[in-house]
Amino acid sequence: AQSVTQLGSHVSVSEGALVLLRCNYSSSVPPYLFWYVQYPNQGLQLLLKYTSAATLVKGINGFEAEFKKSETSFHLTKPSAHMSDAAEYFCAVSASADYKLSFGAGTTVTVRA
Amino acid sequence: EAGVTQFPSHSVIEKGQTVTLRCDPISGHDNLYWYRRVMGKEIKFLLHFVKESKQDESGMPNNRFLAERTGGTYSTLKVQPAELEDSGVYFCASSPIAGYPEAFFGQGTRLTVV
Repeated sequence: AQSVTQLGSHVSVSEGALVLLRCNYSSSVPPYLFWYVQYPNQGLQLLLKYTSAATLVKGINGFEAEFKKSETSFHLTKPSAHMSDAAEYFCAVSASADYKLSFGAGTTVTVRA
Repeated sequence: EAGVTQFPSHSVIEKGQTVTLRCDPISGHDNLYWYRRVMGKEIKFLLHFVKESKQDESGMPNNRFLAERTGGTYSTLKVQPAELEDSGVYFCASSPIAGYPEAFFGQGTRLTVV
């Protein structure tokens, strides 16, 4: 079985500041890891994914995440926040043959002007 | 190419009524998943279809929920009778082939049971 813990249900950052969203996972087998974003009144959109290739993964909109096996972490970062980054972010893990996802509780990001 | 489409986007029903949610996956996607997010909780897996067959329905909460996938195309999720605790956002996702790890999500159906 796999599970995901996202530290911090709400994060507030200033425009131009670093965005750091923390995700730790547990999995009995090598996992696939994902970050999804949900903008207001929209569905889930894939930001990036780790599928056992490079440990530093670059995604859309300037986001990236680093897979650290020793720390069982997959933290999401963006060097400079933009107002349009205000959304809810979900970390997810898949470690079964049918690729069903286990999600974290989500982190809501607000960006201050 | 059209994405995953879900109908309706919102539904408000009274306790005891029946509601049917529909998901149209991306054309050609064999895998179809249903997930649910109850207010304030994590997004939880409900079930997984491969074409028209239920591969895994371990996340279905109880027998008031019935999912079908006609001919391996669109899927419906019926709740009968609906209870207050069924309120939440129901997401559908699809992926093209077995062994493809990325799923594409629809915009979700917000169900409110009053």
